[in-house]
Amino acid sequence: NAGVMQNPRHLVRRRGQEARLRCSPMKGHSHVYWYRQLPEEGLKFMVYLQKENIIDESGMPKERFSAEFPKEGPSILRIQQVVRGDSAAYFCASSGTGGNGYTFGSGTRLTVV
Amino acid sequence: KNQVEQSPQSLIILEGKNCTLQCNYTVSPFSNLRWYKQDTGRGPVSLTIMTFSENTKSNGRYTATLDADTKQSSLHITASQLSDSASYICVVSDRGSTLGRLYFGRGTQLTVWP
Repeated sequence: NAGVMQNPRHLVRRRGQEARLRCSPMKGHSHVYWYRQLPEEGLKFMVYLQKENIIDESGMPKERFSAEFPKEGPSILRIQQVVRGDSAAYFCASSGTGGNGYTFGSGTRLTVV
Repeated sequence: KNQVEQSPQSLIILEGKNCTLQCNYTVSPFSNLRWYKQDTGRGPVSLTIMTFSENTKSNGRYTATLDADTKQSSLHITASQLSDSASYICVVSDRGSTLGRLYFGRGTQLTVWP
């Protein structure tokens, strides 16, 4: 069981480019959650997805950010036209039904230059 | 407003000593409270999880307490080791959203010196 896999671990983008962050949940997990951690800040909830459905996106900025969890393949967090303020660590977690086995990945550190 | 406050913000102790970290929350309705350990550059790893009816839970040298009436929790670390150096995060889940939203404290940065 490889755990929650996030890639890339580090991502550097110039302002205006797109960033794509990937998260493969633990085997058997069908719930995925994305969090953002700014320097010196706690993790902030962004979005909660199940396969092919967005359940709760109340923590995600309305513009430039989108997330998906397709039937096949990893969950993707997409940030369009990145700005310096998007620089942060983005963590993904997955769980089974009822929140069982809630586990975090190691995160993707996005740096916008 | 649902919030989780932790204290102290940072703490330095000598190897072998004990320490206690504090967490106060205002999250409602309450579902459970978790303590996580986050090593630098890594994702959070769960240490303990407690529901409303539990007031203490241990995991090796880590012991968490919960007072649901005063909405306070503590994490006690016994006989600290150098590997305990990390950020310790208090996380509270509510019952309001579909599966329970997690609210994170900012963490206490613990440094253990030899």
